[in-house]
This record gives sequence, C-alpha cells and structure tokens, in this order.
Amino acid sequence: GENVEQHPSTLSVQEGDSAVIKCTYSDSASNYFPWYKQELGKRPQLIIDIRSNVGEKKDQRIAVTLNKTAKHFSLHITETQPEDSAVYFCAASKGGSYIPTFGRGTSLIVHP
Amino acid sequence: DAGVIQSPRHEVTEMGQEVTLRCKPISGHNSLFWYRQTMMRGLELLIYFNNNVPIDDSGMPEDRFSAKMPNASFSTLKIQPSEPRDSAVYFCASSSEVRGLLFGPGTRLTVT
Repeated sequence: GENVEQHPSTLSVQEGDSAVIKCTYSDSASNYFPWYKQELGKRPQLIIDIRSNVGEKKDQRIAVTLNKTAKHFSLHITETQPEDSAVYFCAASKGGSYIPTFGRGTSLIVHP
Repeated sequence: DAGVIQSPRHEVTEMGQEVTLRCKPISGHNSLFWYRQTMMRGLELLIYFNNNVPIDDSGMPEDRFSAKMPNASFSTLKIQPSEPRDSAVYFCASSSEVRGLLFGPGTRLTVT
C-alpha cells in the first residue's frame, strides 16, 4: 500500500519568514495530493491540492510543488504570520474519492 | 452548502453505555469516511463508504464499533458498549472525485 513520509515533524519560524514542509510517497499510481491545516481544537481543513498532471499550484501565500519522478511534494508558505501556526498534514491518494494516506503531520510555530 | 454536519458536538457518557454519532455528508459527495483522532495515535481511518457501501472497515477497532450509511445523506457510527479508551474526537468527512476530503466539525467523546 501507499506510504507517505512527512518532514519535519516540528518547524519553528519567525513571522515573515518562509516555511517549507516536504512529503514523499511510495505508490506511483497516486495522482492526487491534498494538504490540510488543523488548528488546535478544530477540524483538519483542506487548504490546497494538486494533481499529478500539474507541477506547481499557488494560492496567495501558499504553494505546492510536485515532482512525480522523485515521488515528492512540498508545501511552501511565504511571509508567515502567527495565524499560520497549526499542524499541517500532507496526503496522497488515487483520486478525490479514494482513501488518502496521510503523513504524520508537521507542527508549524510562527513566532511574532 | 453547510458543509459536513456532525452531531452531537460533545458527548460525555459512562462506560458501558451505547453511543451513536451522526453525520450528514455534503450533497453530491459519493465517499464518506469516519476518522478517530487522539494525541497518542493521531488520525486513524475507521471506515470508508463509497456510494453508501462500506468498502474498507479494517480500521474499526473491534466488534463494539459499527457503522451504517442507509442513504447518501446520512451515516452513523455506533459504539456499544463504550469504554474509556474510546475517548477521542471522531471526525466524519466526505469527498468527491473533484476534491478531496472535507471534514465535519467533529464529535468530542468522553467516556468515564
């Protein structure tokens, strides 16, 4: 089955810095890669996703990149703000309707 | 759309009692997932339905747990009898092929 590894487990940055979270996956059949943000005491929220026919996708301060050959994908957050502090999960699946395999999460702390 | 709806939001019960959690997925979504989240074990998939049919229930901890999806707009997760180790936040999520999982607000279950 699919295996998703996520690094780092904890990331501490100063406000205004950039943050990068990296994930690798094992199943070459995976073609859909969503990212979730979970604030303390709240639900995981889908913040951005990318499909395997696209190499990069941006939405304001966040961007995702995908390297199908190397089987890795990354989340980039620019100009970080304290409200970006949360746990971020990457996931991989064979499509939106299929069971995603989640990474173990990255706790991002943005210091004011 | 109001998003995924879960009830109750909080449930406190005594060991041995039956607990029923309810979920209304987003209209038009054909996949429904039940997850359990704890600090120790993270986010665990309990069961996955596609077009109202249980496809993968390998994550259901034991026979005390059961889930049903009688129609496209309703699902239940039942625990009978409940135990203190079942205390967790239970999330329902739904998805379509177009977009990945969208989570409900969760039910925080405490079994004393």
